[in-house]
Amino acid sequence: QVQLVQSGAEVREPGASVTLSCKASGYTFTAYTIQWVRQAPGQRPEWMGWIKGRYTQYSQNFQGRLTITGDTSADTVYMELSSLRSEDTAVYYCAREDSTRAFFDYWGQGTFITVSS
Amino acid sequence: AIQLTQSPSSLSASVGDRVTITCRASQGIRSTLAWYQQKTGKAPQLLIYDASTLEGGVPSRFSGSGSGTDFALTISSLQPEDFATYYCQQFNSYPLTFGGGTKVEIK
Repeated sequence: QVQLVQSGAEVREPGASVTLSCKASGYTFTAYTIQWVRQAPGQRPEWMGWIKGRYTQYSQNFQGRLTITGDTSADTVYMELSSLRSEDTAVYYCAREDSTRAFFDYWGQGTFITVSS
Repeated sequence: AIQLTQSPSSLSASVGDRVTITCRASQGIRSTLAWYQQKTGKAPQLLIYDASTLEGGVPSRFSGSGSGTDFALTISSLQPEDFATYYCQQFNSYPLTFGGGTKVEIK
């Protein structure tokens, strides 16, 4: 069965960086796009970016702070967010995109990032 | 970016009630809309895509309708496990965007 397993919760100080992982299993990793979505407490989900192979696209809301990479040998995607600020405190999800359209058919369990001094 | 406005933001209903949630897009998006259910502390779960296609394994009491700018999610007979927050999401164009959510609570 399709599974996306994310790394554990992180705490960072403002200005620091964080890298999260998302390990996929149960399907052909290279055939699907992986998306990243975050959700601040009590807020709607916010799209961040995606990766498929060597191609990526990012939301302009992250203005060069976001980098998504993949390791096909490990079926794992990484999301690095730099210059963290308190507003980045949120649950971060990876999600698999449907094979032909940009909605999300499987989600990881989420990783909570706390940004606080 | 395309804005999605859901209404109501919350509602109280009883088991067995028929519930309808609406989602309005700021511009036409054809049928490129998905609906998700999210329970507290969990990831969203896909219910409907292409505005009206039920995802596999989702109970038939859930249905979706609409195209263009106006969409609806209907639960024909609310069950205890349906109390959750529901979000719409458009995939017509990037940036992908979500509605503000509708929290369905027990009356």
